[in-house]
Amino acid sequence: GQNIDQPTEMTATEGAIVQINCTYQTSGFNGLFWYQQHAGEAPTFLSYNVLDGLEEKGRFSSFLSRSKGYSYLLLKELQMKDSASYLCAVWRVTGGFKTIFGAGTRLFVKA
Amino acid sequence: GAVVSQHPSWVICKSGTSVKIECRSLDFQATTMFWYRQFPKQSLMLMATSNEGSKATYEQGVEKDKFLINHASLTLSTLTVTSAHPEDSSFYICSARVSRGANLNNEQFFGPGTRLTVL
Repeated sequence: GQNIDQPTEMTATEGAIVQINCTYQTSGFNGLFWYQQHAGEAPTFLSYNVLDGLEEKGRFSSFLSRSKGYSYLLLKELQMKDSASYLCAVWRVTGGFKTIFGAGTRLFVKA
Repeated sequence: GAVVSQHPSWVICKSGTSVKIECRSLDFQATTMFWYRQFPKQSLMLMATSNEGSKATYEQGVEKDKFLINHASLTLSTLTVTSAHPEDSSFYICSARVSRGANLNNEQFFGPGTRLTVL
């Protein structure tokens, strides 16, 4: 089986930095995704980590520690438009290739 | 590039009827497409993996006779919700992986989703 945990909700202030954590337990782990999803819309790809370490892409960075089963998404210089759900998802290769999503973290950015 | 479309974007139907949702990869070929269901304020739940030219692989707890999946070509997968009931009302999203090229991120491209309401 698999288990993916992330906080349900977070609130942060415009211009600040926020870190969204994700822990996972799964067999056949082959990588971890972060997706952004606005209400009523499909998810959009943010990042994919396979190796340990930090991947930086503009205002967004993602970190992975495979030995700890831990990842985080770091959002800098928060903007109001960053208010959305952030989905942590594991790419598994056991029982076929599939992406399993966590419950998502709803981020509220306030002025 | 890498655009996935879904049709219809929303549908309202009567209980007991069947509804077909199409998922198309517009500018790439996809040997594998995935179907997800998402209830309000919940995450995406994988329903099945659709493989071109073969039977779909369903996740545990998903009724294959109720959710019929057909992946007839490298650019089209369909999900048919048979004998729909109000509890089937949900947001259905498909995604596709690029079959060729350097898909180094194993990225899936999501369709815009179909909102199904069963009365």
